[in-house]
Amino acid sequence: NAGVTQTPKFQVLKTGQSMTLQCAQDMNHNSMYWYRQDPGMGLRLIYYSASEGTTDKGEVPNGYNVSRLNKREFSLRLESAAPSQTSVYFCASSGGLFNYGYTFGSGTRLTVV
Amino acid sequence: LAKTTQPISMDSYEGQEVNITCSHNNIATNDYITWYQQFPSQGPRFIIQGYKTKVTNEVASLFIPADRKSSTLSLPRVSLSDTAVYYCLVEVVNAGNMLTFGGGTRLMVKP
Repeated sequence: NAGVTQTPKFQVLKTGQSMTLQCAQDMNHNSMYWYRQDPGMGLRLIYYSASEGTTDKGEVPNGYNVSRLNKREFSLRLESAAPSQTSVYFCASSGGLFNYGYTFGSGTRLTVV
Repeated sequence: LAKTTQPISMDSYEGQEVNITCSHNNIATNDYITWYQQFPSQGPRFIIQGYKTKVTNEVASLFIPADRKSSTLSLPRVSLSDTAVYYCLVEVVNAGNMLTFGGGTRLMVKP
């Protein structure tokens, strides 16, 4: 089992560029999440999808959009990147038959210059 | 969402038992208590989850008093590799809720 897979692992963008972060899980989880983590800080929720076909804003949604493509995949899009979006982005999933909390991906380190 | 309060940092030495206490005064009836561990440059990893009394697995024990307003994560005989940030969260299981991560507790294990 791969768990939660995020791509890319690293990315450098220029201010104003756009990009999509990809996330896929193979655990048949219902819920998926996108978090960002700034240096020395805790994780902040950007968007989440409680189930396929639904998405909701989290704590810091401004500047981002998401798509729950199917049960496995949940993407995060930055339409016009800003230096304030420099962060590490984590995708997570939850809601399996035997609940063991969230499973996180290994993260995408994004730098906006 | 029940908020949690935990110490910002703790120091310990190899071989010692470490207890990290988390306060969650507003925990709801349907909430479970979950602890995560995060190493630098990695995503958080699930450690243990419980509802009441005591839960033990191969990594840690979780103690929850009857009123459930606090919980204690116990790490037996820590090693240098246990140096990490530990997060305490309360959540409704399988509800697709948005979890709020606080700052966590930075545990430093010294030789």
